[in-house]
Amino acid sequence: DQQVKQNSPSLSVQEGRISILNCDYTNSMFDYFLWYKKYPAEGPTFLISISSIKDKNEDGRFTVFLNKSAKHLSLHIVPSQPGDSAVYFCAAFYDGGYQKVTFGTGTKLQVIP
Amino acid sequence: KAGVTQTPRYLIKTRGQQVTLSCSPISGHRSVSWYQQTPGQGLQFLFEYFSETQRNKGNFPGRFSGRQFSNSRSEMNVSTLELGDSALYLCASSPTPDRVNEQFFGPGTRLTVL
Repeated sequence: DQQVKQNSPSLSVQEGRISILNCDYTNSMFDYFLWYKKYPAEGPTFLISISSIKDKNEDGRFTVFLNKSAKHLSLHIVPSQPGDSAVYFCAAFYDGGYQKVTFGTGTKLQVIP
Repeated sequence: KAGVTQTPRYLIKTRGQQVTLSCSPISGHRSVSWYQQTPGQGLQFLFEYFSETQRNKGNFPGRFSGRQFSNSRSEMNVSTLELGDSALYLCASSPTPDRVNEQFFGPGTRLTVL
């Protein structure tokens, strides 16, 4: 049972344009959400997070939006750069429970120069 | 400050064998989590250790086990390897279990089971 879903396995975007990565979750207990970026042969690195009490969080070119009623979050990257090409994982967390941090299956972003 | 290190980086084993993977967390981090990454499955949580105690365990068979030492270093063991155990095993450390946005991952150990 995949509680965090990233339905797009891949995404291609032109350099300078906006990249939008989507993530859906099913467990309403989740109260904290994170995005990670992963390059080949490296572990994931933390990118940005959002608490369920907010609906938006920005950090430079990266903005995460949370729609709790729809159980949906998205990561916007503006403007996209070739160095952003990586696999992006969304993850959800609530303190307690069987699984601590639940990850999605990842979306591979390719930014075309 | 040195990052999370994992050894070995690559491992090839045959079915039925057992394997031990090692993880050294960032200095000062006392929480260590292990994940399995396979194509199409994302990162699946294996277990989490904090102060030498297993705090959480994911939905994996008992062949998967782990431990944490007093210096916060952690090992995971997989016994009676199966072909489906081929995966990237990632270790992550954080200062304490609740500080997930300060969780840093190691580069992983790529395990291939033949």
